[in-house]
Amino acid sequence: QVQVVQSGAEVKKPGASVKVSCKASGYTFTAYYMHWVRQAPGQGLEYMGWINPNGGGTKFAQRFEGRVTMTRDTSISTVYMELSRLTSDDTAIYYCAGEGGGSYYMDVWGKGTTVTVSS
Amino acid sequence: QSALTQPPSVSGSPGQSVTISCTGTSSDVGSYNHVSWYQQPPGTAPKLMIYEVSNRPSGVPDRFSGSKSDNTASLTISGLQAEDEAEYYCSSYRSSGLYVFGTGTQVTVL
Repeated sequence: QVQVVQSGAEVKKPGASVKVSCKASGYTFTAYYMHWVRQAPGQGLEYMGWINPNGGGTKFAQRFEGRVTMTRDTSISTVYMELSRLTSDDTAIYYCAGEGGGSYYMDVWGKGTTVTVSS
Repeated sequence: QSALTQPPSVSGSPGQSVTISCTGTSSDVGSYNHVSWYQQPPGTAPKLMIYEVSNRPSGVPDRFSGSKSDNTASLTISGLQAEDEAEYYCSSYRSSGLYVFGTGTQVTVL
């Protein structure tokens, strides 16, 4: 079935970087844009940006510009989100969510990756 | 890049109807029909419930419906059931080419 599987929980120190992976299966990898959304403890969903696996084009929310990188490896149907210069405010669950064929909605969600930033 | 505005909470008894509003601007909700709604029970990932304002994915009960007027979209749950208790988020495509989520609404079944 169509699904995305995310990497496991991470604990990082302030100032470090974290790289979260999202492996797709059950569909043509390049047919779905992949979005990244995060949720801080007890807070709402916050949109971070997207990557188009077909070509690697990206676009990021302004508040993450300069600090986030999204890449893909088509040989293993995996996208990556790397966030640098971490602070405690980056402690959150990070979700990847697939948008099929320019549909403008996210219908395939990963279970989330918990990133904890603590000294 | 402000979030779309939703009421913090709504509640209703089983069988009743509740409506959640989602207010944006002319740069998002008001200009595009690319409005979707997501349900998130505690400790789980969001689940798509409505897309393109009023369309239901396969498997979503028909008691969930969506609409839009000007800069405000709405999600209505008719015949409320205990299993509908969750946080609900709207989302809209923006003229920037990105997306924005709403502030979230907790639905409580009394």
